[in-house]
Amino acid sequence: AQSVAQPEDQVNVAEGNPLTVKCTYSVSGNPYLFWYVQYPNRGLQFLLKYITGDNLVKGSYGFEAEFNKSQTSFHLKKPSALVSDSALYFCAVRNQAGTALIFGKGTTLSVSS
Amino acid sequence: DGGITQSPKYLFRKEGQNVTLSCEQNLNHDAMYWYRQDPGQGLRLIYYSQIVNDFQKGDIAEGYSVSREKKESFPLTVTSAQKNPTAFYLCASSPSGTSGGFYNEQFFGPGTRLTVL
Repeated sequence: AQSVAQPEDQVNVAEGNPLTVKCTYSVSGNPYLFWYVQYPNRGLQFLLKYITGDNLVKGSYGFEAEFNKSQTSFHLKKPSALVSDSALYFCAVRNQAGTALIFGKGTTLSVSS
Repeated sequence: DGGITQSPKYLFRKEGQNVTLSCEQNLNHDAMYWYRQDPGQGLRLIYYSQIVNDFQKGDIAEGYSVSREKKESFPLTVTSAQKNPTAFYLCASSPSGTSGGFYNEQFFGPGTRLTVL
């Protein structure tokens, strides 16, 4: 079965510290992976995606993600967190049919000043 | 939120009523999607459409209906058969729903919050 897991409901970091939001996946074949961010009562905003190539993907707002095939992971990272990064983050994988995205349950990131 | 609009932003429904949520996009995207978001459950796919006049059920289609008469519009009707409709509803679109769509991210609207009174 295809699935995405975000093992942490919440991640707390201090401003200026590095942050990591974890994501693992289970799909058949090549994974097409995505990260989105959601601010309260808003739609989702696309951050970055992994299709093929370099395992380190750079995206919007200074975020990056590392694809690790052997660990079936796609963790979101940022070298220095900002208070404005506080939001709900979703990892997603394209389903095998290519017709839709399968989303994780989301991780709330809280950055304290 | 790009070129996708959803209306209304807030919607209140009485028991036994059908309500329709609007979704319009001006991105010229072929594929459109409806998701339901509940706290702690992520996004769950209700319906999707890859081309005009065609749509498919997602994981939680029971109690919902859609139409796709125009490329830019994909309205969702929440019927009285949906037992627990209170949720945040998100519409999305992407450039292609066929094999080329594997690589394309989805663009989301701002959402509609539906509350059953």
